[in-house]
Amino acid sequence: QVQLVESGGGVVQPGRSLRLSCAASGFTFSNYGMHWVRQAPGKGLEWVAVISYDGSNKYYADSVKGRFTISRDNSKNTLYLQMNTLRGEDTAVYYCAKDSSSSVDYYYGMGVWGQGTTVTVSS
Amino acid sequence: DIQMTQSPSSLSASVGDRVTITCQASQDISNYLNWYQQKPGKAPKFLIYDASNLETGVPSRFSGSGSGTHFTFTISSLQPEDIATYYCQHYDNLPPRFTFGPGTKVDIK
Repeated sequence: QVQLVESGGGVVQPGRSLRLSCAASGFTFSNYGMHWVRQAPGKGLEWVAVISYDGSNKYYADSVKGRFTISRDNSKNTLYLQMNTLRGEDTAVYYCAKDSSSSVDYYYGMGVWGQGTTVTVSS
Repeated sequence: DIQMTQSPSSLSASVGDRVTITCQASQDISNYLNWYQQKPGKAPKFLIYDASNLETGVPSRFSGSGSGTHFTFTISSLQPEDIATYYCQHYDNLPPRFTFGPGTKVDIK
């Protein structure tokens, strides 16, 4: 079955960096776009970024553009989120998700989600 | 930017009741609208795509309708396992951007 397992979360000071990983299994990872979505404590869902099936196209929410970088290694079936210059408002559970369609550079939504990893930005 | 709103923000209903949630877009989004269910402490689950299409394996008591700016999500007969927060989401591909509504929390009365 499709499985996504995030890791790399933790407590980090403002201004520092953190890299999240998402290990995928149960499907042909290299065929699908992949997303990061976050949820601040007690708040709703916020889309963060999406990457195309081959890593050639990347798109970001305005709130993280220039600070976060999404990437993938299809040989390792792994998705990444490099988070730099972290702020308190980046505190959230971060979910990776598989896009619901395998269309080339066209995205429909988050068909399958991981369990999430928690990032806390605090001094 | 397109804004998504949902109403009500929360509701309480009895087992077996029909439950309806509305989602409104700030401008015409055609049918580029998905619905998700998030149970307490769990990751969201994809329920409905393109406003009215049920994802494989989702119980038929869930349904969606609408187009343009006004959308509806319905649970025809509320079950205890449906306790969750439900989110609508608009997707756009020019450029890719995904906007969630604020969510509707559903409880059992």
